Amino acid sequence: SYVLTQPPSVSVAPGQTARITCGGNNIGSKSVHWYQQKPGQAPVLVVYDDSDRPSGIPERFSGSNSGNTATLTISRVEAGDEADYYCQVWDSSSDQYVFGTGTKVTVL
Amino acid sequence: EVQLVESGGGLVQRGGSLRLSCAASGFTFSRYWMHWVRQAPGKGLVWVSRISSDGSSTSNADSVKGRFTISRDNANNTLYLQMNSLRAEDTAVYFCARAAEQLVSLVDYWGQGTLVTVSS
Repeated sequence: SYVLTQPPSVSVAPGQTARITCGGNNIGSKSVHWYQQKPGQAPVLVVYDDSDRPSGIPERFSGSNSGNTATLTISRVEAGDEADYYCQVWDSSSDQYVFGTGTKVTVL
Repeated sequence: EVQLVESGGGLVQRGGSLRLSCAASGFTFSRYWMHWVRQAPGKGLVWVSRISSDGSSTSNADSVKGRFTISRDNANNTLYLQMNSLRAEDTAVYFCARAAEQLVSLVDYWGQGTLVTVSS
């Protein structure tokens, strides 16, 4: 089955840039989506189709995808960005949806 | 406003059964694929099942194949998950979620979840 690997944690100072990677075999050929989840809450979509943002999501959130790695970038990090972040793809070969292992972003 | 409200969670013994429901509102339910996604306490998100808009096509994670069945009632805007032969590792919050209409690989709205606890 298809596996998506993320770093368990990323720490960043306010105002700096956080980069969260999502590794998968030839992930560049897939459409990658990113979700933010705060404690006790449902996930919220922050980036879809590699690099598009839903309405209401700040421009500080951006994404890229190439080769074996997709990346979510959070610019000018704020305290409110502290959360768990998950990447997700659809594996067409198995018709299954796959989430990454998740990354906890801590704002120092 | 899109709303997804799960119900049916609770405490069940190992080997038992439970049926989860998800009441949808604020959109044309019959046009959208739907999912169940779960999250064990302190763990990450895990996709469970998906059903097409008309219910003719379903897909399940390997971990629940043969035990869980996803279904829907478009007349009553409700999604279901029938869970049989429950195991301790099925303990989790179960989220009902909607797939985007134009990009079915994407989950665009989530419910708040219902907790299922399987006791041994």
